[in-house]
Amino acid sequence: EAQVTQNPRYLITVTGKKLTVTCSQNMNHEYMSWYRQDPGLGLRQIYYSMNVEVTDKGDVPEGYKVSRKEKRNFPLILESPSPNQTSLYFCASGINRGHTGELFFGEGSRLTVL
Amino acid sequence: AQTVTQSQPEMSVQEAETVTLSCTYDTSESDYYLFWYKQPPSRQMILVIRQEAYKQQNATENRFSVNFQKAAKSFSLKISDSQLGDAAMYFCAFTSSGSARQLTFGSGTQLTVLP
Repeated sequence: EAQVTQNPRYLITVTGKKLTVTCSQNMNHEYMSWYRQDPGLGLRQIYYSMNVEVTDKGDVPEGYKVSRKEKRNFPLILESPSPNQTSLYFCASGINRGHTGELFFGEGSRLTVL
Repeated sequence: AQTVTQSQPEMSVQEAETVTLSCTYDTSESDYYLFWYKQPPSRQMILVIRQEAYKQQNATENRFSVNFQKAAKSFSLKISDSQLGDAAMYFCAFTSSGSARQLTFGSGTQLTVLP
């Protein structure tokens, strides 16, 4: 089954404790991206990757890091989480060449930073 | 920069009736895609319908259709014969046809379906 898998789905942590949210896709997509969803703001892009070893900032990159060492994986790293990073996070993937704009989303990761 | 505006934070519709969700966008590009995504309580983002800007014909998917007005930069979603399972948050989204691939989302409309 074609899918984007995120882990963990739910996480409660404390300020300053480093954490990683993993994302993996099995569709051989070149493009991957992270979004955060906050009430009244919709989804906003954090980082994206056009291909392996190629990453770039989205609209709200502060406080986040990413890496793309393999095509299928695109982890989101919070080195020192703060309460304003409490949010619902989505990973998404898609093709590059010949794309029709569509992205495939994971099921979301609910993060709470105390 | 592109912006997407959904001016209706909440909407409600009676089961079996028709409802229209509004969306406007702002862009200087001529080639782009527009989407409506549905987010039920499960939080999964589900693609409802897609429209290519170069196509004049409005997209339709079963009970879902759009009214795409390119000059007015308007992209509304019509849901016919509303069902209880249509209750969800609906997001309008925009992306250019270029290489950036970024989806720009509106703030969402929470749709309630009344039995």
